[in-house]
Amino acid sequence: GAVVSQHPSWVICKSGTSVKIECRSLDFQATTMFWYRQFPKQSLMLMATSNEGSKATYEQGVEKDKFLINHASLTLSTLTVTSAHPEDSSFYICSAIDGGTGGEQYFGPGTRLTVT
Amino acid sequence: AQKVTQAQTEISVVEKEDVTLDCVYETRDTTYYLFWYKQPPSGELVFLIRRNSFDEQNEISGRYSWNFQKSTSSFNFTITASQVVDSAVYFCALSEISGGYNKLIFGAGTRLAVHP
Repeated sequence: GAVVSQHPSWVICKSGTSVKIECRSLDFQATTMFWYRQFPKQSLMLMATSNEGSKATYEQGVEKDKFLINHASLTLSTLTVTSAHPEDSSFYICSAIDGGTGGEQYFGPGTRLTVT
Repeated sequence: AQKVTQAQTEISVVEKEDVTLDCVYETRDTTYYLFWYKQPPSGELVFLIRRNSFDEQNEISGRYSWNFQKSTSSFNFTITASQVVDSAVYFCALSEISGGYNKLIFGAGTRLAVHP
């Protein structure tokens, strides 16, 4: 089956620094990827839709200058949390749409970010 | 607007009991998908089922079964003879097909604890 990987699986960074999270589709091409955020004991909230070769579309309330998304290839999207603060600590999950199978969506394993 | 409601925040059962997780959705579209995902403590989402809005047939997969009723906008999930390994958070999600992006709107999730 289709596999989506995320790197790193967990990261601890200091307040004020930036951290980059990668989302890769390993065996299919993904023209569209999504980024979700999940706070402890809460649901997944869509942050943005990432389309290869174009600017990401952010959901209402998500700061695009803080959460930079780059979808430079059909297999890689990155989310950079700039000037991270403790309130950005969360579980970040990406998903990728396999255009070759009629739009099946596959989720990555998630990245746990802790900002100290 | 799209909305998914999972009214049960937490459910606790004893092993071998049957348990039903409720899901009620709202959408103005006539064409949509409904999903159920399992999220074990590891955090990785496990896909359970996808149902097209045009297919109201109930589905059974082993101990799992799903009841889709458009008349009540519900897509309930039943686990028969529950096991400790079923302990997880279960999310119901809705996706509109139009637009081609398949972005998911998740319910708040139901935390299921199955005790030996």
